[in-house]
Amino acid sequence: EAAVTQSPRSKVAVTGGKVTLSCHQTNNHDYMYWYRQDTGHGLRLIHYSYVADSTEKGDIPDGYKASRPSQENFSLILELASLSQTAVYFCASTHSAEQFFGPGTRLTVL
Amino acid sequence: GEQVEQRPPHLSVREGDSAVITCTYTDPNSYYFFWYKQEPGASLQLLMKVFSSTEINEGQGFTVLLNKKDKRLSLNLTAAHPGDSAAYFCAVSVESSSFSKLVFGQGTSLSVVP
Repeated sequence: EAAVTQSPRSKVAVTGGKVTLSCHQTNNHDYMYWYRQDTGHGLRLIHYSYVADSTEKGDIPDGYKASRPSQENFSLILELASLSQTAVYFCASTHSAEQFFGPGTRLTVL
Repeated sequence: GEQVEQRPPHLSVREGDSAVITCTYTDPNSYYFFWYKQEPGASLQLLMKVFSSTEINEGQGFTVLLNKKDKRLSLNLTAAHPGDSAAYFCAVSVESSSFSKLVFGQGTSLSVVP
């Protein structure tokens, strides 16, 4: 049974529209992360959270918001989606240094 | 902050040959090192986690070497087979007082030709 799940698995959005990506973990981990992966590149950290109702900016937070309503759930919000946000988005949770990744969400902004 | 450089970006080897991927990092205080494998359209699969106190780690069909003096981490697939064809990423853990952050290399696309 997958410990980190993401929904949707893929999404097509229009420029200027609002997009919400969801992540759910059953690891009972405190830390959760959102990364984006662009074709042929590694992962870059967008936002992270170490406790419910609190989020922190990562390395590339511009254009993104995050929400952590509970320990299990962490959402990434694109208020005004842009073409440059087309990417694959991964959620992860961690107990110590090791991170456990979800299956990813492929977002295409047209 | 920490920077991780991974080379080569693309690598093609014949089945049975070895394949070596190398990462260099900048922060001497980095403590945990990871290698991930990513097959097309899939998530990241942890291959190995290395602690800074250990220099050589052997997995199933691969060896990970850590050179702390040179700040270099390498993955050596000893006898590659087509199932090894995938993208490989190194990641370095930068721990601050508040959280643990992973900095990823740019990735290596490995192709193993029969």
